[in-house]
Amino acid sequence: GAVVSQHPSWVICKSGTSVKIECRSLDFQATTMFWYRQFPKQSLMLMATSNEGSKATYEQGVEKDKFLINHASLTLSTLTVTSAHPEDSSFYICSARNYGTATNEQFFGPGTRLTVL
Amino acid sequence: AQRVTQPEKLLSVFKGAPVELKCNYSYSGSPELFWYVQYSRQRLQLLLRHISRESIKGFTADLNKGETSFHLKKPFAQEEDSAMYYCALSSGNTGKLIFGQGTTLQVKP
Repeated sequence: GAVVSQHPSWVICKSGTSVKIECRSLDFQATTMFWYRQFPKQSLMLMATSNEGSKATYEQGVEKDKFLINHASLTLSTLTVTSAHPEDSSFYICSARNYGTATNEQFFGPGTRLTVL
Repeated sequence: AQRVTQPEKLLSVFKGAPVELKCNYSYSGSPELFWYVQYSRQRLQLLLRHISRESIKGFTADLNKGETSFHLKKPFAQEEDSAMYYCALSSGNTGKLIFGQGTTLQVKP
């Protein structure tokens, strides 16, 4: 149980285009999901907290107009990288917190590799 | 400020040797601490959480509030333990995880 999927697993796009990444909790409900960036051989950097039915909460330094987050249902959050540039190339990882448990354990998706040409 | 520090970027040991991956934290409230592991080409997965006081794959971690530490230990390392290990602190009601920088554990045959 507690599986999180991401789609796509990798994407290559041209500079200036927008890319949408989906994060789904497959067998549990998640009122809260999280989006991270991970650079090679580095730790995860939290970008934003995605809240079902309300606005996302962004970490300091993360542009909310650049990284649009939508959490329309209890099992789906999307991250849209708008007007992507090469410096946005990274590994994007989502995680979900199980609504039905009392712990703050997060379940992680496999990640999406974004390459902007 | 809330912070998690893993002082070692790389820890290399021989198979059968004891392992201790260090983690120190800074947090004003009652912390909820985790160890996550990321094997090569796999997703991040939970290894341990301090509230469970469990042993997983031979690993244990004890929360020491006096020293603000949550070190991960295993008495006899195995080659399959080679991975990246992250210590993480849960931040209050938001459930946000603050990650340490990660330690790569390399177990040599």
